[in-house]
Amino acid sequence: ETGVTQTPRHLVMGMTNKKSLKCEQHLGHNAMYWYKQSAKKPLELMFVYSLEERVENNSVPSRFSPECPNSSHLFLHLHTLQPEDSALYLCASSYGSAGDTEAFFGQGTRLTVV
Amino acid sequence: AQSVTQPDIHITVSEGASLELRCNYSYGATPYLFWYVQSPGQGLQLLLKYFSGDTLVQGIKGFEAEFKRSQSSFNLRKPSVHWSDAAEYFCAVVSDGSGYSTLTFGKGTMLLVSP
Repeated sequence: ETGVTQTPRHLVMGMTNKKSLKCEQHLGHNAMYWYKQSAKKPLELMFVYSLEERVENNSVPSRFSPECPNSSHLFLHLHTLQPEDSALYLCASSYGSAGDTEAFFGQGTRLTVV
Repeated sequence: AQSVTQPDIHITVSEGASLELRCNYSYGATPYLFWYVQSPGQGLQLLLKYFSGDTLVQGIKGFEAEFKRSQSSFNLRKPSVHWSDAAEYFCAVVSDGSGYSTLTFGKGTMLLVSP
């Protein structure tokens, strides 16, 4: 248990569906992140929120829409996904104020797009 | 831009034998380096980290890593591997943004432990 909780753990969705992934942390961190982990590819940073403001969007398609309503919660809204979007989506949080900080990861949501 | 290379995709080690997983990084400034472990279907757990100071870093579960600036390496070691160490291991370097930090990961090394 790292203090970062992701729900659901598994999700199967059709290409026309709309779903949301949820991440919650109670570690007092001020930065939250979404990473994508696909088979045979390095972990890819998708979005960064610092102090509830989106500070980085790494060329992620608009069918992925993040939301950070407060410092403890982070969502990833999904719509009209493609089969290649099937992956493990990991949420992380950190104090984020300097390089000498570690990121705590959730257990991930395994997403399958059919 | 920073990058991390883990040259070994898979490594098989006998239980009780020693282990070394390789990691090379490319980063202009003093790097902040991490090793994470991921068990199947799980998130990433931090094993150890290097920020500054002593170049030999001790971590959890009996792991250690040595930072060698001249070789741009941060190899992970364990003197005696246990079957429960079978997992995927990721080396990462942090890039420091303004008010946040982001990790750049290597592709990972899958460790298999044979009886």
